[in-house]
Amino acid sequence: AQSVTQLDSQVPVFEEAPVELRCNYSSSVSVYLFWYVQYPNQGLQLLLKYLSGSTLVESINGFEAEFNKSQTSFHLRKPSVHISDTAEYFCAVNTGFQKLVFGTGTRLLVSP
Amino acid sequence: DAGVIQSPRHEVTEMGQEVTLRCKPISGHNSLFWYRQTMMRGLELLIYFNNNVPIDDSGMPEDRFSAKMPNASFSTLKIQPSEPRDSAVYFCASNPGGAGGNTEAFFGQGTRLTVV
Repeated sequence: AQSVTQLDSQVPVFEEAPVELRCNYSSSVSVYLFWYVQYPNQGLQLLLKYLSGSTLVESINGFEAEFNKSQTSFHLRKPSVHISDTAEYFCAVNTGFQKLVFGTGTRLLVSP
Repeated sequence: DAGVIQSPRHEVTEMGQEVTLRCKPISGHNSLFWYRQTMMRGLELLIYFNNNVPIDDSGMPEDRFSAKMPNASFSTLKIQPSEPRDSAVYFCASNPGGAGGNTEAFFGQGTRLTVV
C-alpha cells in the first residue's frame, strides 16, 4: 500500500527567505503526486500536481515541486516566501484508484 | 459552479445524540470522499464512493459511523450515537472520477463537529 511521509510538522521561516517542505512517498507502482494547501478554517486547495512528463511542476503563486523517482520524493520549494504563505501544506499520493493518501501535513509559519 | 458544499459548517451536540453531516459534490463529479481531520491523527479517509456506490469504507472507525449517497448530488455521514472523541473537522471532497487517479480532489469547507 502507498504511504506519504512529511517529516517536518512545522517549519518556521522569515519573510522573503527560501523554504523547502519535504515529502517522501512509498509505492510499488507508478504514482500521481499532489500538494495541497490549507489556510486557517478553510478546506484544502490544490497547489500543484505531478502526473507525468516534466519532473518539475510549478504553481501560479511561485511554489514548485520536483518529482524524484530514485529518491521517492516530491519536495515543495519556494525561493522567497510571503506572510500570506502561512498555512498547512499536505502532500498526497494516488496510485490510480482515485484514493488520495495524505501525509500528516507541515505547518509553514512565516514571520516578518 | 459553487464548489463542494457542506452543511452545517459547525455542529455542537451532546454525547449520545445522532449527528448528520451533509455534502453536495460538484455537478458531474463521479467520486465522493469523506475525510476526518484531527490534530492527533491528521487527515484520514473514512469512505469513498464512485458513481454513488461505496468503494472503500475501511477507514470508517466504528459501526457508529455510516455514510450514504442516494444520488449523484447528495451524500450524508451519520454518527449514532456520537462520542466526544468524534470531535473533529469532517471534509467532503469530490473529483471527476474515471480511471487513472490523475485528477485532483476538490474539497468543501468542512464541518467542525464538537461533541460535549
